[in-house]
Amino acid sequence: EVQLLESGGGLVQPGGSLRLSCTASGFTFSRYGMSWVRQAPGKGLGWVSTISSTGGNEYYGDSVRGRFTISRDNSKNTLHLQINTLRAEDTAVYYCAKDSNYGGNSGYFDYWGQGTLVTVSS
Amino acid sequence: DIVMTQSPDSLAVSLGERATINCKSSQSVSFSSNNKNYLAWYQQKPGQPPKVLISGASTRESGVPDRFSGSGSGTDFTLTISSLQAEDVAVYYCQQYYNTPRTFGQGTKVEIK
Repeated sequence: EVQLLESGGGLVQPGGSLRLSCTASGFTFSRYGMSWVRQAPGKGLGWVSTISSTGGNEYYGDSVRGRFTISRDNSKNTLHLQINTLRAEDTAVYYCAKDSNYGGNSGYFDYWGQGTLVTVSS
Repeated sequence: DIVMTQSPDSLAVSLGERATINCKSSQSVSFSSNNKNYLAWYQQKPGQPPKVLISGASTRESGVPDRFSGSGSGTDFTLTISSLQAEDVAVYYCQQYYNTPRTFGQGTKVEIK
């Protein structure tokens, strides 16, 4: 059974930083691209970032490029998102999601974690 | 970026009746060379993460009840719930995975009338 478990969310002041993590199990982690998708309170879904299966390629949405960094550790089946210079509009539940295709940055999101809430407020 | 627009934003349907959600993309999300549609549908129940229902515009994921069906190609797609059940109350999203960024529709809230 595929499982994705996020951690690392919390309350942070504007301009602050957080590191989100996602621990995966139930599939061969190193074969698939992995993504972060966020959802602001009461709003829709927005893709944030994707990393290829090897970690060699990273992709970012325009609103987070330069502030967020995605990474992965295939030896530990773990995905990370370093989020810096946080803004109020970054407040959201951040979901870890598995890409349906091998490789990276393609396919739909076939499995999702439960999400971790990031709240940016002074 | 490809803009995905769903209609309606919300709908209320009686139990056992049909619910239809439309999704339109700002450009084609289908490849004519392989006849594939790069369109997925997700269901999100309150307090839960999204769950994929349909990929390739019309292929149901394993375990998804057959009352859910998808159709369409190019820029126009439809999700149909043939006989609405109480457990289908949720927000439904379409998403294109034709190119980056992979974009979602704004969501359609389905309720019981």
